[in-house]
Amino acid sequence: GDSVTQMEGPVTLSEEAFLTINCTYTATGYPSLFWYVQYPGEGLQLLLKATKADDKGSNKGFEATYRKETTSFHLEKGSVQVSDSAVYFCALVPSGNTPLVFGKGTRLSVIA
Amino acid sequence: EPEVTQTPSHQVTQMGQEVILRCVPISNHLYFYWYRQILGQKVEFLVSFYNNEISEKSEIFDDQFSVERPDGSNFTLKIRSTKLEDSAMYFCASSGRGPNYGYTFGSGTRLTVV
Repeated sequence: GDSVTQMEGPVTLSEEAFLTINCTYTATGYPSLFWYVQYPGEGLQLLLKATKADDKGSNKGFEATYRKETTSFHLEKGSVQVSDSAVYFCALVPSGNTPLVFGKGTRLSVIA
Repeated sequence: EPEVTQTPSHQVTQMGQEVILRCVPISNHLYFYWYRQILGQKVEFLVSFYNNEISEKSEIFDDQFSVERPDGSNFTLKIRSTKLEDSAMYFCASSGRGPNYGYTFGSGTRLTVV
């Protein structure tokens, strides 16, 4: 079935470090891909999305490119801040109106 | 920015009791969802609702669960007889144009069954 695999956390970085959180997916057809973020004590917020191959989603300095050839949607940020500390979820919608499928989440801690 | 509102933020209930979790989706959205997240684990799909009926449900969504949109604004999840393993964070979400455009999630209700 459709699934998302994320790198295991937690990830701990110093402020201003480069961030990569790997995400790969398995899906039939042409899924749409998403990154959601969950700050401590809060709900899930859409961070960015891409709906077709080679699209790049970007928001708040974060980027991810939909790579069909490698079935990946890795999240990157050039310089993380303490305020980026959160859990990041990669997710996909397989097709049409099928529900969003989440990865297990990756906890990021950024230290000053 | 429009929000999805969930109440209560935290509910404690005794095993075997019925609970109703409430959600107010964004007003012009048409698709509604419930997800849950057991502490430290992945976010799992429960049910989707469109045009006043369930459009899809997962294996988790058994006969103990039901959803309603009683008055055109609220969207509720009922658990008839709670079990310890129902303890989780429950998230409501809505979408205006279908899932491909991303969902807006509420802040969640933390359900603790004792």
